[in-house]
Amino acid sequence: SAVISQKPSRDICQRGTSLTIQCQVDSQVTMMFWYRQQPGQSLTLIATANQGSEATYESGFVIDKFPISRPNLTFSTLTVSNMSPEDSSIYLCSVEGGGSTIYFGEGSWLTVV
Amino acid sequence: QQQVKQSPQSLIVQKGGISIINCAYENTAFDYFPWYQQFPGKGPALLIAIRPDVSEKKEGRFTISFNKSAKQFSLHIMDSQPGDSATYFCAASSDNFNKFYFGSGTKLNVKP
Repeated sequence: SAVISQKPSRDICQRGTSLTIQCQVDSQVTMMFWYRQQPGQSLTLIATANQGSEATYESGFVIDKFPISRPNLTFSTLTVSNMSPEDSSIYLCSVEGGGSTIYFGEGSWLTVV
Repeated sequence: QQQVKQSPQSLIVQKGGISIINCAYENTAFDYFPWYQQFPGKGPALLIAIRPDVSEKKEGRFTISFNKSAKQFSLHIMDSQPGDSATYFCAASSDNFNKFYFGSGTKLNVKP
């Protein structure tokens, strides 16, 4: 399976600010995904990021709030913009693996105060 | 509409017992059903997965049972250990969708 590194692993952010989360993979992957996991909840797909094209956002998520970059096949960033306490969540980067599955990073734990 | 329904929400099992978590899905186009294990403070880790061409898959103490006609699948953890205490998520996907739908999660607590 791929080794996925996320930064930051944890942060406390002020309301109204923005934070960019980085995701680095140890191998080239076509598809990368960004998920949100609110406290005690399941995983919700924010968007799919393919290299060389605009990210595809799921219903309820918009580019202005969650801009995504995918400059190459091993790296992506997710920005959480104009944060509010409701954005306090775990943000997870995931990548496609062999055999149709996906693998997750350790997550970035954001608390907005 | 919730694509994958998971139960129970929480489960307490004695050490050595069998833990059973159930999931049901709606879309017959799903053709890949993984289970993920998540420990506190960690990302979800792939545990075991099955495709609908088999009714059961076993890896060590973990078994997936799959019932295609009922559109249900379950995770069985045999000889449950305190180290198995974690949250478990079922999921479903299709190569055509390139998207995973996750269940709501089951928090398992194995008592020593």
